[in-house]
Amino acid sequence: NAGVTQTPKFQVLKTGQSMTLQCAQDMNHEYMSWYRQDPGMGLRLIHYSVGAGITDQGEVPNGYNVSRSTTEDFPLRLLSAAPSQTSVYFCASREGGSGNTIYFGEGSWLTVV
Amino acid sequence: AQKVTQAQTEISVVEKEDVTLDCVYETRDTTYYLFWYKQPPSGELVFLIRRNSFDEQNEISGRYSWNFQKSTSSFNFTITASQVVDSAVYFCALRFRQGGKLIFGQGTELSVKP
Repeated sequence: NAGVTQTPKFQVLKTGQSMTLQCAQDMNHEYMSWYRQDPGMGLRLIHYSVGAGITDQGEVPNGYNVSRSTTEDFPLRLLSAAPSQTSVYFCASREGGSGNTIYFGEGSWLTVV
Repeated sequence: AQKVTQAQTEISVVEKEDVTLDCVYETRDTTYYLFWYKQPPSGELVFLIRRNSFDEQNEISGRYSWNFQKSTSSFNFTITASQVVDSAVYFCALRFRQGGKLIFGQGTELSVKP
């Protein structure tokens, strides 16, 4: 029962570097999304996808790219990391249809120095 | 505007006390879903409950209970006889029928002292 798997769990980047946070789910969920969590701000939606080949922007998309080539995978790319992107990132997924529970990965702690 | 407000930033109680975490939401939609998640010190997000907007029946699960009142747009969470293991940040969240976006409150950090 893997559920939603995120890698890496911890990462330190230098300003300007690029990296990809990986997210995979084995539940055949249609919806996948990325959130970032910052102190006092709760979780904010970065990007989301309603199915393979379809992505859309959330509340705070700037500085991030996503793609959804398969149902299982939804990587989040930081093209040129900035200190403001220091955060905890959560990937989530859920089944299609209304009301279904959203399941989260364990989180990825990213520090940009 | 779609918004979730958790006015209590931090709550500290002594073990065995009852504690209520408040959640107030705003939405124009008539169909929506409300959630509570727990984030223990280890950092993962743990699903606790989902409630549909058309079901105002309150729910009890062990020491946890939830009071959903559409008239006041509130979805409060009560822990009875709190335990140290309940110490965590608790998030209330709102989702609409269209799309998979969750809107989170800012979270309430609960500290249960022995």
